[in-house]
Amino acid sequence: DVKVTQSSRYLVKRTGEKVFLECVQDMDHENMFWYRQDPGLGLRLIYFSYDVKMKEKGDIPEGYSVSREKKERFSLILESASTNQTSMYLCASSTGPGDTQYFGPGTRLTVL
Amino acid sequence: KNEVEQSPQNLTAQEGEFITINCSYSVGISALHWLQQHPGGGIVSLFMLSSGKKKHGRLIATINIQEKHSSLHITASHPRDSAVYICAVTDYGGATNKLIFGTGTLLAVQP
Repeated sequence: DVKVTQSSRYLVKRTGEKVFLECVQDMDHENMFWYRQDPGLGLRLIYFSYDVKMKEKGDIPEGYSVSREKKERFSLILESASTNQTSMYLCASSTGPGDTQYFGPGTRLTVL
Repeated sequence: KNEVEQSPQNLTAQEGEFITINCSYSVGISALHWLQQHPGGGIVSLFMLSSGKKKHGRLIATINIQEKHSSLHITASHPRDSAVYICAVTDYGGATNKLIFGTGTLLAVQP
């Protein structure tokens, strides 16, 4: 089975802190994605990557950056956390265009 | 207007009932996905379809490309089916594999 893991299930940070969220997949998938999920808004794409060291902005990239140094690992970075970044963050991976995406368990981030 | 609309937003059913969740979309697509999210849990892909109908256990997904509409049916519903069901579409061409998501349908099945 495909397994996508995220570094933390719950995280509490203070405004202005730098936050790292890590995602690892074990199925050699080319594509990886970071989403945030908020009530009433559904899932929104922050960034995605289709290859090592490649990244593309999603729909809401402001305030975030990403890093993909190895194929299996995709990191989301909040350079200076703000309260409006309190959310559920979900990572996903897939093999190629149009294919099923496999999701991690999510990280619930609270910024105080 | 959202590119992917789901209805209803909330649904309460009694155990054993037949359930239908609808999804309409306004863009050209290469595939449509149905996803399930249990409370506090991650998201699991149920179906990916581009035409016709797919069945897995008590779950059936259909799609009508001409009408840009899909339905997810649950037969003989059970309390463990209680979850958020999310419809998502892959943009036509799918070069970037981006998904466009609906806001989900919260289903509660009461015993």
